[in-house]
Amino acid sequence: DAEITQSPRHKITETGRQVTLACHQTWNHNNMFWYRQDLGHGLRLIHYSYGVQDTNKGEVSDGYSVSRSNTEDLPLTLESAASSQTSVYFCASSDDRGFTDTQYFGPGTRLTVL
Amino acid sequence: AQSVTQPDIHITVSEGASLELRCNYSYGATPYLFWYVQSPGQGLQLLLKYFSGDTLVQGIKGFEAEFKRSQSSFNLRKPSVHWSDAAEYFCAVGASGTYKYIFGTGTRLKVLA
Repeated sequence: DAEITQSPRHKITETGRQVTLACHQTWNHNNMFWYRQDLGHGLRLIHYSYGVQDTNKGEVSDGYSVSRSNTEDLPLTLESAASSQTSVYFCASSDDRGFTDTQYFGPGTRLTVL
Repeated sequence: AQSVTQPDIHITVSEGASLELRCNYSYGATPYLFWYVQSPGQGLQLLLKYFSGDTLVQGIKGFEAEFKRSQSSFNLRKPSVHWSDAAEYFCAVGASGTYKYIFGTGTRLKVLA
């Protein structure tokens, strides 16, 4: 069955370190998204991609970067981790064929920055 | 600007009681509307979605939602809640052609035995 996976599921890091969160989907979807979930804010879009070599900033992109070298993967990098980036991170993907727009979510990565 | 409001942060209902979770949106055109559920420690699972046509949509787990354009609302309902429905529920609006969502802040549902 097609799925979307994230790794690691839990990560503790220190302020100033570079951290990369992995997202891998086997849906063959062109669209991929990264969100962060914080209490009182719901899910906020960090970055998104509509296909290989395409990346776009979302509403809370400062301090984060992504790259898309293939269809299946969209890794999220925190260049220099800050305590304000402690959060739960979700990756999602959707198909750009048709009009369904349904996003499928991974299980999440809980990141703690000390 | 597009926005989604879920006015209730927490809702508590007794098992077997009916449920309605509110969602109001702001969007200039006909929106794509979604309800997702998140169980503790889990990712988000799609409950139902509305794109066009019949304004009453049926979803999984016995949930339904009604799109009311005049009220800019897309409320989620269930006639009889089960203890396993305890979770956080998110409403989202999708902008046609962008594939992006804007999420509400969520409603946490507690079910009393």
